[in-house]
Amino acid sequence: NAGVTQTPKFRVLKTGQSMTLLCAQDMNHEYMYWYRQDPGMGLRLIHYSVGEGTTAKGEVPDGYNVSRLKKQNFLLGLESAAPSQTSVYFCASSLLEGGRTDTQYFGPGTRLTVL
Amino acid sequence: KNQVEQSPQSLIILEGKNCTLQCNYTVSPFSNLRWYKQDTGRGPVSLTIMTFSENTKSNGRYTATLDADTKQSSLHITASQLSDSASYICVVSAGGGFKTIFGAGTRLFVKA
Repeated sequence: NAGVTQTPKFRVLKTGQSMTLLCAQDMNHEYMYWYRQDPGMGLRLIHYSVGEGTTAKGEVPDGYNVSRLKKQNFLLGLESAAPSQTSVYFCASSLLEGGRTDTQYFGPGTRLTVL
Repeated sequence: KNQVEQSPQSLIILEGKNCTLQCNYTVSPFSNLRWYKQDTGRGPVSLTIMTFSENTKSNGRYTATLDADTKQSSLHITASQLSDSASYICVVSAGGGFKTIFGAGTRLFVKA
């Protein structure tokens, strides 16, 4: 049982380049989330999904797109990377809705630098 | 505005000592409060979760308290170990929807 895994662990992009971050979970969780973590700030929700084929915007969705074609995978895309997107990205999954009594399980993170 | 504020920002203690981390929140309507531990270069890991009716929750040497009236929580670490060096994040969720607010965390350093 690997829990939540993220690919890649590190990436450096040039401004304007695109990339996709992959998140996979093997716990059969319905809910999945993408967060970004910046120095001195709390994690901020980018997008989330309540089930296969569904996605919704979080607190800071601009510049990102997501897809949940399979229940176990949640992809985060950057179509045209900007230096402001330099951050550490975390994926998480949970059994129940985030606002109710549940636990989110986090992946190890992807450190992205945009030059 | 929904906010979660943690104090102190960072803390240095000697191995074996106790410490208490603070969390104040203004999230409404309150659903639950969680404490996470985040080791450097890793994702956060849940320590405790408390709902409105719970005022204490323990997980080994970690004890969390919640005062829903004053909207304050604390995380007490007993007999600290070097492995306790990490960031501790307070997370408050509002009832209904995905209104989950993360604090910026307290960075704890445990010295030998």
